[in-house]
Amino acid sequence: ETGVTQSPTHLIKTRGQQVTLRCSSQSGHNTVSWYQQALGQGPQFIFQYYREEENGRGNFPPRFSGLQFPNYSSELNVNALELDDSALYLCASSLGARGLSYEQYFGPGTRLTVT
Amino acid sequence: AQKVTQAQTEISVVEKEDVTLDCVYETRDTTYYLFWYKQPPSGELVFLIRRNSFDEQNEISGRYSWNFQKSTSSFNFTITASQVVDSAVYFCALSDSGSARQLTFGSGTQLTVLP
Repeated sequence: ETGVTQSPTHLIKTRGQQVTLRCSSQSGHNTVSWYQQALGQGPQFIFQYYREEENGRGNFPPRFSGLQFPNYSSELNVNALELDDSALYLCASSLGARGLSYEQYFGPGTRLTVT
Repeated sequence: AQKVTQAQTEISVVEKEDVTLDCVYETRDTTYYLFWYKQPPSGELVFLIRRNSFDEQNEISGRYSWNFQKSTSSFNFTITASQVVDSAVYFCALSDSGSARQLTFGSGTQLTVLP
């Protein structure tokens, strides 16, 4: 069974640029959630995709957007990067179904540095 | 609004000591789920346990045990006979009853086990 993978591992961008982060979900999982983890803090929920549709969003501005593909892999796009966007971005996959909560399995994360 | 509080920022113990990590949560939902995750220096969040709000039975898994008390809104985690490999940041998280099942994390407890 393949776990959650993310790419790239590390990324350095300049303020104002755009970035795309990628996530492959664990085999058999149809739900992907994205979290932002600033240094020394707990992860914060950005949004979730269930069967290619956004299924909930945290308190993040519209310049954070995403996609989920038919194979359930996902992308996180951030436009107009700000210094505060520097963080570890974590992707988590789960087997989602209405009315049930399944444990989320996390990937190793992408460390984004904005200079 | 949901909230998870981990009041212990850092804990340091000597190998073979027992250690308890505290977690207090707030939610208005009657159905919710509680989780513990471990984050080693590599950064990947490792799932440890999920507990739903209907099941207050304590659970033991090897050296790990969890004490869920609804009356005090607490979900504490005990490691018995700690080992150096237990050194990590431990996060308590709460999942709501909404369709997104987003995780609300505490700020984490850095556990250092000294040889």
